[in-house]
Amino acid sequence: DIQMTQSPSTLSASIGDRVTITCRASQRVSQWLAWYQQKPGKAPKLLIYKASTLEDGVPSRFSGSGSGTEFTFTITSLQPDDVATYYCQQYNIFRTFGQGTKVEIK
Amino acid sequence: DVQLVESGGGLVQPGGSLRLSCAASGFTFRAYSMNWVRQAPGKAPEWVAYMSARLNTITYADSVRGRFTISRDNDRQSLFLQMTSLRVEDTAVYYCARGEGFPDSWGQGTQVTVSS
Repeated sequence: DIQMTQSPSTLSASIGDRVTITCRASQRVSQWLAWYQQKPGKAPKLLIYKASTLEDGVPSRFSGSGSGTEFTFTITSLQPDDVATYYCQQYNIFRTFGQGTKVEIK
Repeated sequence: DVQLVESGGGLVQPGGSLRLSCAASGFTFRAYSMNWVRQAPGKAPEWVAYMSARLNTITYADSVRGRFTISRDNDRQSLFLQMTSLRVEDTAVYYCARGEGFPDSWGQGTQVTVSS
């Protein structure tokens, strides 16, 4: 199985800050990686797929990059509505999620 | 609008069975691969099962293979998950999700609790 490891597990930042989350795969997944946002009591929401492609309707302050085993998710200017847990997910071999990064406002 | 509505969850004893349903609307159901994904309290989501649009590919997570069965009825625009030999560790919210590798639409989830 491919293991996905996110860091950090929790992140506290101020409104307007640039926020970066890293996701590492235990083996190469090419560009087959997605990022989701999940708010309490809600289903995950797709933000990015194919490592860097923004889903329709998702604000441009969200972005993704990387390939192979190292990926980065960035929020260029943190907004109050961005408080959530973010998950990476590989879909190269079956599908596995990272353990999540909880983003809070400082 | 795309809608996925799960039902069938509940409280069941270890060793018991449940059948989850997902009613789809707002899109051509037969054209899409579908998935079941679960999430235990405070944990990351976990893929459970996948069925391709053409019904020729079905995949299960190791944790449920041999106990869970995914199926679909394209005429009724519905997805199902038959769960047998349920274990305490199967307790989770179960989501129906549309799409191939990265689901772009999810239902609201149905709670499955396995407890004596």
